[in-house]
Amino acid sequence: KAGVTQTPRYLIKTRGQQVTLSCSPISGHRSVSWYQQTPGQGLQFLFEYFSETQRNKGNFPGRFSGRQFSNSRSEMNVSTLELGDSALYLCASSLGGDQYEQYFGPGTRLTVT
Amino acid sequence: KQEVTQIPAALSVPEGENLVLNCSFTDSAIYNLQWFRQDPGKGLTSLLLIQSSQREQTSGRLNASLDKSSGRSTLYIAASQPGDSATYLCAVRGQNFVFGPGTRLSVLP
Repeated sequence: KAGVTQTPRYLIKTRGQQVTLSCSPISGHRSVSWYQQTPGQGLQFLFEYFSETQRNKGNFPGRFSGRQFSNSRSEMNVSTLELGDSALYLCASSLGGDQYEQYFGPGTRLTVT
Repeated sequence: KQEVTQIPAALSVPEGENLVLNCSFTDSAIYNLQWFRQDPGKGLTSLLLIQSSQREQTSGRLNASLDKSSGRSTLYIAASQPGDSATYLCAVRGQNFVFGPGTRLSVLP
């Protein structure tokens, strides 16, 4: 069974632009969560989607948004990029429900210049 | 608000040693706790998941315990190998997912 895939793997954007990242979960998984990882703040939870509905949301500004499609694939969008948005963005999938194990993708490295 | 800490922040041991990594959390209202390893520049690899009703889980040379009432979990690695060198993170699932800062482990040949 294929693992979680994320595209693109690397991205360079300019301050003020917007970006969309994509995550394809493991087949059969209905929950997708997104995280931001930076050296200073560590891994921080952005949001979780389950069956196309946002279930939980972390403490990030409204510039960060996401959605999930009927095939469980998810996208994350960041508008009006700031230098501080440079990070590794990770997504994780699980079967759904609070008790299931999360499986992570390789991440998208976003650099904002 | 859930806070997760991990000690030590870094650990360097000779190959073959048994070692213990610690994870503490402030809110015991959790569904589960998961341990991961992360190699430099890579995603996370799941090691063990402990449900809130469980006390421990084992996988090969790894054993993780959970004491929900005291807000603690430990990851025990037996007979460490250089390939175990990585950053180890614990994450608790409550209302949201909260990760600890990690323990950077170096196993020297």
